[in-house]
Amino acid sequence: ETGVTQTPRHLVMGMTNKKSLKCEQHLGHNAMYWYKQSAKKPLELMFVYNFKEQTENNSVPSRFSPECPNSSHLFLHLHTLQPEDSALYLCASSQEDRGSGNTIYFGEGSWLTVV
Amino acid sequence: EDQVTQSPEALRLQEGESSSLNCSYTVSGLRGLFWYRQDPGKGPEFLFTLYSAGEEKEKERLKATLTKKESFLHITAPKPEDSATYLCAAGDSGYSTLTFGKGTMLLVSP
Repeated sequence: ETGVTQTPRHLVMGMTNKKSLKCEQHLGHNAMYWYKQSAKKPLELMFVYNFKEQTENNSVPSRFSPECPNSSHLFLHLHTLQPEDSALYLCASSQEDRGSGNTIYFGEGSWLTVV
Repeated sequence: EDQVTQSPEALRLQEGESSSLNCSYTVSGLRGLFWYRQDPGKGPEFLFTLYSAGEEKEKERLKATLTKKESFLHITAPKPEDSATYLCAAGDSGYSTLTFGKGTMLLVSP
């Protein structure tokens, strides 16, 4: 396995369900991210974890709950979602060295449909 | 507030017809300007990082350039396999968080 892997690739869930998205990075990076990509909109940063500590939460509703148990794994727990939450959820990682332009590498994404 | 604007939103080219995509940015303390390629249904694939005005980078038919206000992605003699959405993102002086543009959807016809 190389790069950033996300599972599942596709998920359909009802508004009362609870599900989780999983991400694993095999690049030895120390920072991980969740982004949301909706049609006709720029990628939106949701959460950042640096050295397993959440350093940014971009005003994301509480129905999205991130978890970062170690520097290689990242989860996004989903509950009582709304149809407008249907989107492509992208996990990414980077090697964070303060002050330098570190490249972010993305996974293939998890397509979420809320019905 | 950091802003990134890409133009055009969509571009249709004939195979071999060279063109450029534009990315203008407003970022305090630019840490890096990033270009990604995204195929339908897939995550963005990293192409280039530019750090300072005047810098240029090339990869096959693609060449990225950077000025103090904008970046260009030049596509020379494109092929149908270059069809994709090209995303531009700017990083500021904080952590590795990026501000993305909406992308330019490129279609190259044979």
